[in-house]
Amino acid sequence: GNSVTQMEGPVTLSEEAFLTINCTYTATGYPSLFWYVQYPGEGLQLLLKATKADDKGSNKGFEATYRKETTSFHLEKGSVQVSDSAVYFCALSSGGSNYKLTFGKGTLLTVNP
Amino acid sequence: SAVISQKPSRDICQRGTSLTIQCQVDSQVTMMFWYRQQPGQSLTLIATANQGSEATYESGFVIDKFPISRPNLTFSTLTVSNMSPEDSSIYLCSVDPGTGAAGELFFGEGSRLTVL
Repeated sequence: GNSVTQMEGPVTLSEEAFLTINCTYTATGYPSLFWYVQYPGEGLQLLLKATKADDKGSNKGFEATYRKETTSFHLEKGSVQVSDSAVYFCALSSGGSNYKLTFGKGTLLTVNP
Repeated sequence: SAVISQKPSRDICQRGTSLTIQCQVDSQVTMMFWYRQQPGQSLTLIATANQGSEATYESGFVIDKFPISRPNLTFSTLTVSNMSPEDSSIYLCSVDPGTGAAGELFFGEGSRLTVL
């Protein structure tokens, strides 16, 4: 079956530090990959996505590249801000059921000024 | 985009009781979903709520435990029946906005249930 493994948190960084949150996956077929973010007091929202190998998703300064050879989709940002403090979820969908997302456990990021 | 409101946002419940969670969307959507996030675990899809028909449940989830209603295209409820401490979780309502974009779901803030 499908599964997503992302790095355990919490992650605490200082403002302007470099961020990497690792995500690897196991899936049948050719999954689409996603990063969702949940800011305090809000619902999950899509941050970025990639639908095929070597695609790079990007949004709000965050990037992630779909690496089929390493089954990875690591989230990166060159310079984090306090406002990036949130829980980040890696997810995938496959098998034609676009709504049936398989999620990782989430990584709590705290950015200090 | 879609704005999703869930009620209650949190509750503390007694063992053996049932609680109904409401999900209201600010636009008409065809597909609504209910997810569960147990402590320290990832989100798991409970069921798909279809308007005008029975909900479709995922493996490990049954209608008697998690009855769902979907009376119209903007509203759904999930009931957690005969609760036990193992049901302590965050329950999330989600919708497919119908843009055709794979995997792009909108989520409510979640309902955090604690069962004593």
